[in-house]
Amino acid sequence: KQEVTQIPAALSVPEGENLVLNCSFTDSAIYNLQWFRQDPGKGLTSLLLIQSSQREQTSGRLNASLDKSSGRSTLYIAASQPGDSATYLCAVGLLNGNKLVFGAGTILRVKS
Amino acid sequence: GAGVSQSPSNKVTEKGKDVELRCDPISGHTALYWYRQSLGQGLEFLIYFQGNSAPDKSGLPSDRFSAERTGGSVSTLTIQRTQQEDSAVYLCASSFTIDTEAFFGQGTRLTVV
Repeated sequence: KQEVTQIPAALSVPEGENLVLNCSFTDSAIYNLQWFRQDPGKGLTSLLLIQSSQREQTSGRLNASLDKSSGRSTLYIAASQPGDSATYLCAVGLLNGNKLVFGAGTILRVKS
Repeated sequence: GAGVSQSPSNKVTEKGKDVELRCDPISGHTALYWYRQSLGQGLEFLIYFQGNSAPDKSGLPSDRFSAERTGGSVSTLTIQRTQQEDSAVYLCASSFTIDTEAFFGQGTRLTVV
């Protein structure tokens, strides 16, 4: 059974800091990994999608890496801003299953 | 529409009543998922539709839950004889195919009183 773990569970940083969120998964039989953000009371917003054959993806101040063999992904946020405050979720798409399996999320607070 | 649309955005119902939640996926997306997010909990998979294939219902928590997808587009999640533990946010997502980017709707917040 695929299990996805996100560390840390919560993070509070001052504005301007660079930060890294971690995601690990137990089964490398995935076709992709996707990072989302969720604002309070809202749905999920897709941030980055990394296919299993890729090593990283970048969008603006965000960079996500994937090491499928070790079951790890990181989301790097550069020059954090208060507007980045949200819950960040990673999800893996299973090769042997019709679903995305989500981690519990990292609650990020960027203080101004 | 430009994104995944869910309705209603909020629903309050009495225990024992039936409810229907609707999801309009992005046009052309063949894959559609339903998830449930209970307060303070992670996302729980409920059901998956892919084109005309039989749906994957492995995540439905009980036989009170059912879902259908008509014409490969709109999906309806039905909960019969609602219970208080059904209170949660129900999220729908769609993607072009199973291995492409998934986009989520804003969810339906269901409260059973």
